[in-house]
Amino acid sequence: DTGVSQDPRHKITKRGQNVTFRCDPISEHNRLYWYRQTLGQGPEFLTYFQNEAQLEKSRLLSDRFSAERPKGSFSTLEIQRTEQGDSAMYLCASSPGRPSYEQYFGPGTRLTVT
Amino acid sequence: KNEVEQSPQNLTAQEGEFITINCSYSVGISALHWLQQHPGGGIVSLFMLSSGKKKHGRLIATINIQEKHSSLHITASHPRDSAVYICAVRLGNAGGTSYGKLTFGQGTILTVHP
Repeated sequence: DTGVSQDPRHKITKRGQNVTFRCDPISEHNRLYWYRQTLGQGPEFLTYFQNEAQLEKSRLLSDRFSAERPKGSFSTLEIQRTEQGDSAMYLCASSPGRPSYEQYFGPGTRLTVT
Repeated sequence: KNEVEQSPQNLTAQEGEFITINCSYSVGISALHWLQQHPGGGIVSLFMLSSGKKKHGRLIATINIQEKHSSLHITASHPRDSAVYICAVRLGNAGGTSYGKLTFGQGTILTVHP
């Protein structure tokens, strides 16, 4: 069990560019969550995968955001045409589901849009 | 009004003091999580509870389901306890349409001085 990993840890990009983040969950965890945290606030839910199926997306996830989890293992979160308001910490968490539902968080990817 | 409210938002203490952080929520939940976040972003789960009280070392978490309230206590506080403490709730029916996602409070910034 190496924990949840995220890559990159930091990303600085110019407004209008596309960025992609990766999350590797704990192996055999079938549930994967993406959250976004802006400065001074608690995280907010973005989207949820159970295995490879994306079962829920928040209204926060505009059309510029897309997430995938091919083969039910790692997940990617892509933001197209980034805006300054996208600057935040993007957190990934995985969970084994029943019976625990405990969530294990990755270190996050901090995005700065200039 | 946020579904999860924490108080205080900022807390400063001297080493050795007893600390209490409060969390109130307005929705039906299946569990409540207390999380710790250090500078740099990494989130660690401290407790997950759905009733009663849990203790781990100097940390104690309690929940009153009827009053929709939880507290996190730190006994004999130490400078290394300085961090952001976040309360998060998992909505009822985690095996169903809530999918186990978490709704977070805004966090309490704790600073413990030597």
